[in-house]
Amino acid sequence: DTGVSQDPRHKITKRGQNVTFRCDPISEHNRLYWYRQTLGQGPEFLTYFQNEAQLEKSRLLSDRFSAERPKGSFSTLEIQRTEQGDSAMYLCASSLVEQLGYGYTFGSGTRLTVV
Amino acid sequence: QKEVEQNSGPLSVPEGAIASLNCTYSDRGSQSFFWYRQYSGKSPELIMFIYSNGDKEDGRFTAQLNKASQYVSLLIRDSQPSDSATYLCAARMDSSYKLIFGSGTRLLVRP
Repeated sequence: DTGVSQDPRHKITKRGQNVTFRCDPISEHNRLYWYRQTLGQGPEFLTYFQNEAQLEKSRLLSDRFSAERPKGSFSTLEIQRTEQGDSAMYLCASSLVEQLGYGYTFGSGTRLTVV
Repeated sequence: QKEVEQNSGPLSVPEGAIASLNCTYSDRGSQSFFWYRQYSGKSPELIMFIYSNGDKEDGRFTAQLNKASQYVSLLIRDSQPSDSATYLCAARMDSSYKLIFGSGTRLLVRP
């Protein structure tokens, strides 16, 4: 168990470019979550998967954002036509749904800077 | 109204004192509550969870839940400078399984 892994750790991109982030959850965890966090705020829910099924998406997630978890293992989050307002820390977390009190285990995050 | 509210702080306490962090939530459907600690530039790490009314103790940490008042708290006894961090409160409804986070309270423990 190596924890939740996110790649890259940092990404600087020009406005209008597309970016893709990857998350590898803890292997036995069946739920995977994406959150976004800006300075001074708590993590803001974006979407989550149970196995390969995307069960919920935040209304805040515009059509420029898409997430996949094709084989129920790793997940990708893509942002198309990035805007400066997309600059944030993107956090991935995983959990085992059967374990009531375990909450999430977060990865180290991907810090996105849009210039 | 935000679903989970916390005072942003900073809450400053001397080393060895008890730090009391508070959180209120608006959705009565919330069933489980979590406290995370987040050091600057790092990701949140789980400290404790609670889902029954009353107190739950784990080492120097005690979580308290009052569902009637929709209030959750975290007490840190014998505070250490290493406890200086932002503490995030989160609520989960069993119907959704997603966590809704507050904005966090910044704790500063003075040596």
